[in-house]
Amino acid sequence: SQTIHQWPATLVQPVGSPLSLECTVEGTSNPNLYWYRQAAGRGLQLLFYSVGIGQISSEVPQNLSASRPQDRQFILSSKKLLLSDSGFYLCAWSPLGGRLNEQFFGPGTRLTVL
Amino acid sequence: AQSVAQPEDQVNVAEGNPLTVKCTYSVSGNPYLFWYVQYPNRGLQFLLKYITGDNLVKGSYGFEAEFNKSQTSFHLKKPSALVSDSALYFCAVRDWTGTASKLTFGTGTRLQVTL
Repeated sequence: SQTIHQWPATLVQPVGSPLSLECTVEGTSNPNLYWYRQAAGRGLQLLFYSVGIGQISSEVPQNLSASRPQDRQFILSSKKLLLSDSGFYLCAWSPLGGRLNEQFFGPGTRLTVL
Repeated sequence: AQSVAQPEDQVNVAEGNPLTVKCTYSVSGNPYLFWYVQYPNRGLQFLLKYITGDNLVKGSYGFEAEFNKSQTSFHLKKPSALVSDSALYFCAVRDWTGTASKLTFGTGTRLQVTL
């Protein structure tokens, strides 16, 4: 069966520090991968998605970037964190080519920027 | 652009009573709709989806949803609520980029089930 991991689970970082959040998927190949941010326990905003290694699509311009160095690894980064980057970050995957498939979410990373 | 709306921030229901969480959609073309549930500090869990076929879709944990094309709605329902159903519920609609599916989520509805 497929599983998705995110780490760390929680992170407290000062303003201006770098960020690296990691997401990995097991039990599948060539997944589509997604990064979402959830602010204030409510709506989800799609940040990035990837259909393959090195292929990143950005949904909103912001202080963050994403990379996919391996098939089942998706990384969210920032060079300098802002207060507004605080939130709950969720990684998700869906099967390649699955136009009608649901997405499966990881457990999330709670980021607090102070 | 595809969108969904969840008009209620919170729904309160007594355990054992039926529950409904509302969702309306706006799409161009055929709607592909999803419901997810989120427990505190957890990721989202898939409940059910409507692609085509029967308007009543059955999902996990006894939940079902009714697709209504004329009212552009996709309400989530359960005949008998449990306290353990208390969580945040999200409706979502699929968008196709040409290379990948994206989900656009509603703002969420908090369900509170009390004894």
